[in-house]
Amino acid sequence: GESVGLHLPTLSVQEGDNSIINCAYSNSASDYFIWYKQESGKGPQFIIDIRSNMDKRQGQRVTVLLNKTVKHLSLQIAATQPGDSAVYFCAESLTGNQFYFGTGTSLTVIP
Amino acid sequence: EPEVTQTPSHQVTQMGQEVILRCVPISNHLYFYWYRQILGQKVEFLVSFYNNEISEKSEIFDDQFSVERPDGSNFTLKIRSTKLEDSAMYFCASSEWRDYGYTFGSGTRLTVV
Repeated sequence: GESVGLHLPTLSVQEGDNSIINCAYSNSASDYFIWYKQESGKGPQFIIDIRSNMDKRQGQRVTVLLNKTVKHLSLQIAATQPGDSAVYFCAESLTGNQFYFGTGTSLTVIP
Repeated sequence: EPEVTQTPSHQVTQMGQEVILRCVPISNHLYFYWYRQILGQKVEFLVSFYNNEISEKSEIFDDQFSVERPDGSNFTLKIRSTKLEDSAMYFCASSEWRDYGYTFGSGTRLTVV
């Protein structure tokens, strides 16, 4: 079946620096990807999504890059703030009904 | 901002007992989902629900599980005879369209003892 994995389980960055969180996916047929943020005691919170017909999408302080050739997804957070500290998951979908989540990367922002 | 509401936030139950986890999706959403997250593990898909029927389910969603939309606002997950390994955070989610980002609830922590 599909598998989604993250390259690094933890990431520490200085406040104000840019963060890059990476994700590998295994199903080349997946056509929709979402990055989620999960704070302690809360459910996953939608950050940004991208479809397979795009290779880059920008939001407010966040950018998602999709490289279908190597099945790689990344999330870039500009000017990281303490409130960005959380676990970040990528999720992939083929049908839109069912998402496969990665194990998560814990981002810690150092003031 | 609209929210998906889940109750209770924490449920403790004895092995073999039935539990019902409750969710109130966002009012204009048409697609509903249950996911679970065992401590320290990935968020896993359980089931999706649309137009009063299950549209997809995972291998986890066996005969012990059922979902229901008993009225116009609630969406429930029932586990008939809980097992220790059912202990997890259960997240409900809803979306307005099938392939547009979900909104997740804050989850119900189920502890089976």
